[in-house]
Amino acid sequence: QVQLVQSGAEVKKPGASVKVSCKASGYTFTDDYLHWLRQAPGQGLEWMGWINPNAGGTEYGQTFQGRVTMTRDTSTSTVYMELSSLRSDDTAVYYCARDSPLSTNGVFDYWGQGTLVTVSS
Amino acid sequence: SYVLTQPPSVSVAPGQTARITCGGDNIGSKTVHWYQQKPGQAPVLVVYDDSDRPSGIPERFSGFNSGNTATLTISRVEAGDEADYHCQVWHGSGDHYVFGTGTKVTVL
Repeated sequence: QVQLVQSGAEVKKPGASVKVSCKASGYTFTDDYLHWLRQAPGQGLEWMGWINPNAGGTEYGQTFQGRVTMTRDTSTSTVYMELSSLRSDDTAVYYCARDSPLSTNGVFDYWGQGTLVTVSS
Repeated sequence: SYVLTQPPSVSVAPGQTARITCGGDNIGSKTVHWYQQKPGQAPVLVVYDDSDRPSGIPERFSGFNSGNTATLTISRVEAGDEADYHCQVWHGSGDHYVFGTGTKVTVL
């Protein structure tokens, strides 16, 4: 069965960077794009960007361009999301999610369990 | 940027029907997906491509999309359906993947 398992919670100071991992299993890692999204406390979901695990190509949302970097390691079927210059309003649960092969219309069928990133001085 | 608007909350008695709307400019020309999210958990896909259900999702969940409104309908509501529901579209430009504001469904 498809599983996405993320790294544990992080506490960072303003201005620092955070790197979150997402290990995929149960399917062919290079077949499907993986996305990163986040959800601030009590707020809705916000898309951050995607990575193509096959070729390594990426696309980032306008809000995050210049601050986010997504990478992958095909040997361990793991993708990473690094967010720099952290601010207090980056405090959120960060999710990875698979771009579903069910549809060509940009839908996420499996999600990681989420990683809480807290930014506080 | 493209905006999707959902009612903050919907209340429904067990066994009745819940309807959750998602409004957007000519949303009927786009393809809508719906996610269920229970407290402290990751979202779960319940409807994709306007009206299709992933494997394992009960037939009680259905979707429709036309004009400026998409609707998720939950028939014969159960206590376990209490959750937040989010609509989502792929916009195709700018921030490609847009989510609605979310609707909290309360089962009375």
